[in-house]
Amino acid sequence: GAVVSQHPSWVICKSGTSVKIECRSLDFQATTMFWYRQFPKQSLMLMATSNEGSKATYEQGVEKDKFLINHASLTLSTLTVTSAHPEDSSFYICSARDHGTDYEQYFGPGTRLTVT
Amino acid sequence: AQSVTQLDSQVPVFEEAPVELRCNYSSSVSVYLFWYVQYPNQGLQLLLKYLSGSTLVKGINGFEAEFNKSQTSFHLRKPSVHISDTAEYFCAVRSSGTSYDKVIFGPGTSLSVIP
Repeated sequence: GAVVSQHPSWVICKSGTSVKIECRSLDFQATTMFWYRQFPKQSLMLMATSNEGSKATYEQGVEKDKFLINHASLTLSTLTVTSAHPEDSSFYICSARDHGTDYEQYFGPGTRLTVT
Repeated sequence: AQSVTQLDSQVPVFEEAPVELRCNYSSSVSVYLFWYVQYPNQGLQLLLKYLSGSTLVKGINGFEAEFNKSQTSFHLRKPSVHISDTAEYFCAVRSSGTSYDKVIFGPGTSLSVIP
């Protein structure tokens, strides 16, 4: 099956710094990628949808200047958490939709972000 | 817009007993339905999906689900659970109209299998 990777798998950063998380589709082309945020014992909340070569579409309540998303190629999307604060600590999961099938969405293993 | 309800936040069940995890959805358009499993500190794994056709869908690890359009439900079942089935289970929905539509997740059900 299709594989989506995320890097890093976990990261600890100091408050005020920026962190970049990469999401890659390893064996398929993904025209659309999604970024989710998951707090402990909670469901996945969609943050934004990104289409290759265009600006991301953010969900209501998500600060686009704080969570910068770039989808520069058909296999790579990045999420940058700028000026991170402790409340940004969370589990971030990306997913990618296979260009060849419009319904299958593959999820990455997630990135645990801890801001101290 | 779509929404998903999972009425049971926690389901304890003894090993080798059957289990049903309930999922109801609301949508004004045709939908695709999914069940995902998440093990601690891991991403999501697709258990099964309903796109069209037969309303009984079989997935991995012995799970199956039945789509009921009149009741807008997509309950997940397994006839005999194992310890390894202990995990968080998410029901999800997206409209079938366009490839850009987003997937909406339910709040999740925590399945605990008791030895």
